[in-house]
Amino acid sequence: DTGVSQDPRHKITKRGQNVTFRCDPISEHNRLYWYRQTLGQGPEFLTYFQNEAQLEKSRLLSDRFSAERPKGSFSTLEIQRTEQGDSAMYLCASSSEFTPLHFGNGTRLTVT
Amino acid sequence: QQPVQSPQAVILREGEDAVINCSSSKALYSVHWYRQKHGEAPVFLMILLKGGEQKGHDKISASFNEKKQQSSLYLTASQLSYSGTYFCGTGAKKWETSYDKVIFGPGTSLSVIP
Repeated sequence: DTGVSQDPRHKITKRGQNVTFRCDPISEHNRLYWYRQTLGQGPEFLTYFQNEAQLEKSRLLSDRFSAERPKGSFSTLEIQRTEQGDSAMYLCASSSEFTPLHFGNGTRLTVT
Repeated sequence: QQPVQSPQAVILREGEDAVINCSSSKALYSVHWYRQKHGEAPVFLMILLKGGEQKGHDKISASFNEKKQQSSLYLTASQLSYSGTYFCGTGAKKWETSYDKVIFGPGTSLSVIP
């Protein structure tokens, strides 16, 4: 169990640029979640996958956000035309049906 | 819908006790408690699935009152290592697949000082 791995740890980008984050879940876990966390707030649900199927996407998520999990293993989260309001910590978590969510250390995005 | 937590913040001296409350205006199907230390990922503490259930390990325990749609986390004889932000979360489905999407509350910041 090597834990949930996220890459990169930090990303600084200019407004209007596209960014992509990667998450490698715990290998035995078939569920993968993306959350966003801003300072002083709890993790905010964005989307989640069971195997390669995206089961739910938050209504708060604009069309600029897209996530994929092509082979049911790692996942990517892409943000197009970034805005300053996108600055946050993006957390990935994984679980199985019988294990709780394990979080990665996150990717901190700063949009300048 | 996001659960509500109280208090927002608490400062304790080592050895003191604390209670963190979590409530929801909608039905609580399951309650998940996590702790996040500064700069680290949230870490799972425990899950409560049934009304009336109580769980605990070490000196941290929790209860779940399904009828009142409330849960409380109890920290007794607090240690410096208990410092962090505590989040409660609600599970999306009742009974089935306990570990599913979790909606988290805003958190309670706990600081334990010597």
